[in-house]
This record gives sequence, C-alpha cells and structure tokens, in this order.
Amino acid sequence: EVQLVESGGGLVQPGRSLKLSCAASGFTFSDYAMAWVRQAPKKGLEWVATIIYDGSSTYYRDSVKGRFTISRDNAKSTLYLQMDSLRSEDTATYYCAITGYALDYWGQGVMVTVSS
Amino acid sequence: DIVMTQGALPNPVPSGESASITCQSSKSLLYSDGKTYLNWYLQRPGQSPQLLIYWMSTRASGVSDRFSGSGSGTDFTLKISRVEAEDVGVYYCQQFLEFPLTFGSGTKLEIK
Repeated sequence: EVQLVESGGGLVQPGRSLKLSCAASGFTFSDYAMAWVRQAPKKGLEWVATIIYDGSSTYYRDSVKGRFTISRDNAKSTLYLQMDSLRSEDTATYYCAITGYALDYWGQGVMVTVSS
Repeated sequence: DIVMTQGALPNPVPSGESASITCQSSKSLLYSDGKTYLNWYLQRPGQSPQLLIYWMSTRASGVSDRFSGSGSGTDFTLKISRVEAEDVGVYYCQQFLEFPLTFGSGTKLEIK
C-alpha cells in the first residue's frame, strides 16, 4: 500500500525557517518524481515545487524561488522541503505527492502557520 | 503561466442525476505526443485530493466508471453520472503540460 506521511509542520514566526519531510513507502521511491502542493485555509490548490526521480532537476513556483528548497534522499525514501524566510502568505497545509501520470497519490498533509 | 478556469455547478444536484464540470485553459494542453495534459482531482471534505482522470480522459486506478473526462485542447469537461453521496467535495482541474503546474479554482459538488 502506498503511503506518504508528511511531518515537520507547526507555528513559526515570519522570517524564520522550517523543514518539512515526507516519508514514502509502498512503492519504489527512486523511480518517481515528487512534488509539494499547498492549500491555504479555505482556498484552492497551489503547486509549490517538483523534483525529478534522481534529484538532478528541481522546479519551483516564482513566489517561493530562492526561499524554498526541495530535495530527496532516495536511500531513506524521504522527500524534503526546506522553507526559509517564511511569510504569512506561506500559511497552508502542505501535501507531498507522487508525480507519475499526474499527481497520482497525495499524503494527508501537514499544516504550516506563519504568524508572530 | 497557464490559467485554468472552472465553471460552477447548479448545486445541489439531485442524487442519481448527472453533473458536468467545465474547465478551460489559456493555452492548448495538447502535446506533440498526442496526449492532452489535463488532470482532474476530487478533494472530499476533510481529505487530501485524489486523482480521478489524467491525460484528459484516462481514469486513474480504482476510479468509478461513472467519472469520464472529455474535451479539446483548451476546453474540458468532467462528467459524473448518477451522482452519489460519496461524490461530494471540490473538483479541481490541473494542467500538467508545463511548469508552473496550475490548478483551476475548484468546483463544489453538493448532493440533494
């Protein structure tokens, strides 16, 4: 059974950092690109970043470029999102997702709240 | 960026009836490989999104055949036949052609 379990969320002050993790199991992690997608409270879905299967290429939305870093450890089957210089507009539930034909499978999400 | 525009539903939809959700993209999603990179997702209340349809009309594994996708390069429709209580939620279309990946604003389905 495919499982994606996000962790690392919480309340953080503006300008500070947070690192999210997504532990994957039930599939060959190193075969798939992975993505982070977020959803602000009561809002729609917003793609954040994608990393290809071996980590050699990454893609970001403009609003997080230079502040967020997506990475992966295929030996640990874990995806990461390092979030620096956080802003109030980054407040959202963050989902990791397997990227195959589409965003094929999503984790349950982790909440990040940026507030003083 | 490719803008995705979704239509609304005349909620609530009577149980057993059909519902069609429209989505329009600001750029053709038809790629040179012949595939149209348009996906549909359902987010049930309190849950994470799940993939329903990819390549505009291919159902994801385990998805009921009551869900069908169709369209052209820029205009798309998700049809839900014989709506049931478990279909309640917000439906999103998404383009998978290029970065940044973009979603429609979502269409809420309520059942009567």
